[in-house]
Formats: sequence, structure tokens, C-alpha cells
Amino acid sequence: NAGVTQTPKFQVLKTGQSMTLQCAQDMNHNSMYWYRQDPGMGLRLIYYSASEGTTDKGEVPNGYNVSRLNKREFSLRLESAAPSQTSVYFCASSHPDRPNYGYTFGSGTRLTVV
Amino acid sequence: GENVEQHPSTLSVQEGDSAVIKCTYSDSASNYFPWYKQELGKGPQLIIDIRSNVGEKKDQRIAVTLNKTAKHFSLHITETQPEDSAVYFCAASILTGNTGKLIFGQGTTLQVKP
Repeated sequence: NAGVTQTPKFQVLKTGQSMTLQCAQDMNHNSMYWYRQDPGMGLRLIYYSASEGTTDKGEVPNGYNVSRLNKREFSLRLESAAPSQTSVYFCASSHPDRPNYGYTFGSGTRLTVV
Repeated sequence: GENVEQHPSTLSVQEGDSAVIKCTYSDSASNYFPWYKQELGKGPQLIIDIRSNVGEKKDQRIAVTLNKTAKHFSLHITETQPEDSAVYFCAASILTGNTGKLIFGQGTTLQVKP
């Protein structure tokens, strides 16, 4: 099925551990995004990639790095996880040629840092 | 940058009643205002959206209104049903060029009582 696929769905990390969240889309979208969702705060943009080869900071980039591996894949890396990074992470993609950019979200990765 | 405020944070209605959720935005350049529904354990799903050149849009039981002068927009759900119970998010974006970052409100938890 066409869409945005995120892996893993769940993860528990110890403080200081590192990990990479994976995201892939098969809709030939140009732009990809990483959001985090915390109770009472909505979804906040961490990083985005307007097109292959470019990345930019969003509202809350500290503690994260990203890689736009190719047009399909956009990964989010936590180098040294902290309890404040406990959250649900959503990847999304869009394309300017789609109606209203065709924003599509993945199903999320629930990360707990202990 | 853009800031979106959403109210109320929780809303409880009886089945069959109407529900209204309101959002305000700060950046007058924003031109796209989507509404998302999020069910437990899932990613946000687009339910309705509106561009800044339109004042109102309706799709069956849901409608969105936009007041550009006051910089606020609202979601209206009529004849609510228990399956409408979910978290609803508003967002604002400037759709231009290659990408359009979504800035989200804080979310409203809607409970529809049978």
C-alpha cells in the first residue's frame, strides 16, 4: 500500500544510548518531515527535508540529527538519548504538485527513554 | 515564526449535539489550514482543509470556517456520533515553493457520549 512507513513502532532506550528512527515513502514525494508529539503540545516539527540532498531545522531540533538518504528515505538519529526525548515520533511527506501538497503521515514510533 | 493556538483542550458532548473547535494563528502569510483526526495509536488523518481564498468548506457533517482578518479558523462537527471521539488537531502552513511546513495546535480531545 502506498504511504509512509516508519520503523520501529516501539522502542525503549536507556539514557545515553543512540538509535536511528527510519522512515520511507513510496509516493514519490519531494519533501519529508519529522515531528514529535507530546501530551498537550500537539505535533512539533523537529527537522525537514524540502528535497533530496537538503535538510533544515524545525521548531525543536536540539538533540537530533537527520539524513535524507535518497528521495524515499529520511532518518532521524538520537546520538545520546535523554528522558526528555520520550515521545511519539511521526514522519510525514508531501509534494508541491499534489492537491494541497498531499501531506501524508506515518503511524508513528513510540520511544521511551529510561 | 508561525504560532497556532487551539481551544478547548477537551470537549465532551452528547451524541447528536454539535462540537466546535477553534484555532488562531499568528502569521498572516499562512494560506493553508488543515484539520486532522487522530485515533488512539494511529497517525493523524486529514479530515478537511481550507485555503485562504475560501471562507467556508463543508463535507457532510464537518465544516471549517476561516476568518483571515481575525486570523482564526474553526472546525464544526454536527450530529456527533461516538466514532467521532478522538483527538483533533488544527494546523497552519504557508504552501509555497517546494515545501510547506505544518505548524500544529495543541490538540482537542473530543468525547462523544452515547
